[in-house]
Amino acid sequence: AQKITQTQPGMFVQEKEAVTLDCTYDTSDPSYGLFWYKQPSSGEMIFLIYQGSYDQQNATEGRYSLNFQKARKSANLVISASQLGDSAMYFCAMREGPSSGNTGKLIFGQGTTLQVKP
Amino acid sequence: DTGVSQDPRHKITKRGQNVTFRCDPISEHNRLYWYRQTLGQGPEFLTYFQNEAQLEKSRLLSDRFSAERPKGSFSTLEIQRTEQGDSAMYLCASSLQGWPGGNTIYFGEGSWLTVV
Repeated sequence: AQKITQTQPGMFVQEKEAVTLDCTYDTSDPSYGLFWYKQPSSGEMIFLIYQGSYDQQNATEGRYSLNFQKARKSANLVISASQLGDSAMYFCAMREGPSSGNTGKLIFGQGTTLQVKP
Repeated sequence: DTGVSQDPRHKITKRGQNVTFRCDPISEHNRLYWYRQTLGQGPEFLTYFQNEAQLEKSRLLSDRFSAERPKGSFSTLEIQRTEQGDSAMYLCASSLQGWPGGNTIYFGEGSWLTVV
């Protein structure tokens, strides 16, 4: 069964510094996708970045990059140059591929609360 | 391109009452998902539609819960005889069909339910 684990309930980072949020996953499907979402206190889930299991390079989107280590089954989110507006809950999520009969639904981790200090 | 919209954003109801939430997905998206999220936890999958067909339901979706997507566009999630344990945020999401998973799932702002 697929599973996502985020082991850091809370993280602090100084403004303008980089921070890494950890995510490990478990799946037997060779084809899967990994997502990171940001959830501010307002509740909206904001898509940040996506990594496919067959992608050769780590995904990047602006200040966000995904450190994908397939053999270790980890997909850590790196936020560079942290801003005060980055303070939020961050979720790692996975969807398995069509060979698993998956509907495309996401399975989420428990989340990590990030606080950026001025 | 408007995003996923949900209504109402907040609902306070007395235990035993019925509540209904509405979700309008991104217009060209044929897949629609409902999730439930309690405080401090990640969202949990409830159910999924492809067009108007409800193709998967989680065991979390008890008999008191029913979801519809009658014309393959908007969807409703009804909770009958609400219980205090139903207090949560109900998130709707939509996506295009297909793989690879770059067909990103986009979420609405959620509907907060408080059962008193």
